[in-house]
Amino acid sequence: GAVVSQHPSWVICKSGTSVKIECRSLDFQATTMFWYRQFPKQSLMLMATSNEGSKATYEQGVEKDKFLINHASLTLSTLTVTSAHPEDSSFYICSATASHDNSPLHFGNGTRLTVT
Amino acid sequence: AQSVTQLDSQVPVFEEAPVELRCNYSSSVSVYLFWYVQYPNQGLQLLLKYLSGSTLVKGINGFEAEFNKSQTSFHLRKPSVHISDTAEYFCAVRSLYSGAGSYQLTFGKGTKLSVIP
Repeated sequence: GAVVSQHPSWVICKSGTSVKIECRSLDFQATTMFWYRQFPKQSLMLMATSNEGSKATYEQGVEKDKFLINHASLTLSTLTVTSAHPEDSSFYICSATASHDNSPLHFGNGTRLTVT
Repeated sequence: AQSVTQLDSQVPVFEEAPVELRCNYSSSVSVYLFWYVQYPNQGLQLLLKYLSGSTLVKGINGFEAEFNKSQTSFHLRKPSVHISDTAEYFCAVRSLYSGAGSYQLTFGKGTKLSVIP
């Protein structure tokens, strides 16, 4: 089945530094990728939608200058948390779809970000 | 716009007992329906999906769900649960129609299933 690989699975960084998270579709071309943020014991909050070769569409309240998304190829999207602060600590999950009518979303295993 | 309501935030159940996790949705357009499972510190895994056809959908790990259009529900069931079923379960909907953002899923808040030995 379709596999989405997300890396790293966890990262600890110091306040003020930037962190890049990669999301790769391993066996299909992901025309659309989504980035979610999940707070403890809560559902997934959609941060942004990215289509290959175009700028990401951010959800209301998500700072585009803080959460930089790049979808440069059909198999790779990256999320960079710039100048991270402790309040950015969270579980970030990417998902990808081939965008066919019946294509479900395939999820990565998530990245646990802890900012100290 | 769509919304998803999972009525139970937590469901404890004894091992080998049946379980039903409830999901109701609201949408002005036709939708696809999904159930995902999330194990601790992992992403989401697709359990099953309803796209069209038979309203009873069978998924992985012995789970099934029934789409009820009149009640706008898509409840998840399993006749006999195992310890390994302990996880968070999310119901989600997606618009049937193509267009910008149409592949975006709207999730419920999740139901934590705890299987008691």
